Amino acid sequence: GEDVEQSLFLSVREGDSSVINCTYTDSSSTYLYWYKQEPGAGLQLLTYIFSNMDMKQDQRLTVLLNKKDKHLSLRIADTQTGDSAIYFCAESPDGSGNTGKLIFGQGTTLQVKP
Amino acid sequence: DARVTQTPRHKVTEMGQEVTMRCQPILGHNTVFWYRQTMMQGLELLAYFRNRAPLDDSGMPKDRFSAEMPDATLATLKIQPSEPRDSAVYFCASGLLRGTAGANVLTFGAGSRLTVL
Repeated sequence: GEDVEQSLFLSVREGDSSVINCTYTDSSSTYLYWYKQEPGAGLQLLTYIFSNMDMKQDQRLTVLLNKKDKHLSLRIADTQTGDSAIYFCAESPDGSGNTGKLIFGQGTTLQVKP
Repeated sequence: DARVTQTPRHKVTEMGQEVTMRCQPILGHNTVFWYRQTMMQGLELLAYFRNRAPLDDSGMPKDRFSAEMPDATLATLKIQPSEPRDSAVYFCASGLLRGTAGANVLTFGAGSRLTVL
């Protein structure tokens, strides 16, 4: 089945690192994604990782993928108050051909305290 | 800066009324998705289209919801009759799917917040 699980809430202090975790079920997902949602807005793509990679770094963002455990994490270095948002992990189940659909987790609300 | 446009941004209606939400996908994108976001259920996939053809609407309550793409520049989601449990934010997203390779990058609209009294 298709299921993505995330913890619901994370609180950090400005300047600290944030780590948001996600587990997924569909081993056929070729790519895994992180999206960010700010209040009153739609989701915005942050980054994605190809399933044959175990790490991807993009400026302050580091994505780690453990394919064996179906575990994905997003690390934000030097977290800023502007990083406060909801972060969604998503898988792209395409065992029946690449349909383009994404299945999202519940989202992790990141609160950054000054 | 290409964007997905959704209307209306906010809608308050009474139970039993018809509601139509509209989406203009990004020009050139060949996939369109409708998602619903609630506190309890999170983001649920309702329906999606590829090259305007409906691929899957199994996430939608069929008796009251319908989704269509009358042309490449317009996708609609209709609820008739609406119920209080339909209150949610409805997102449209579009993407360019290239065969079986490549990441499925979706661009989301700002959403339509629906309140059914």
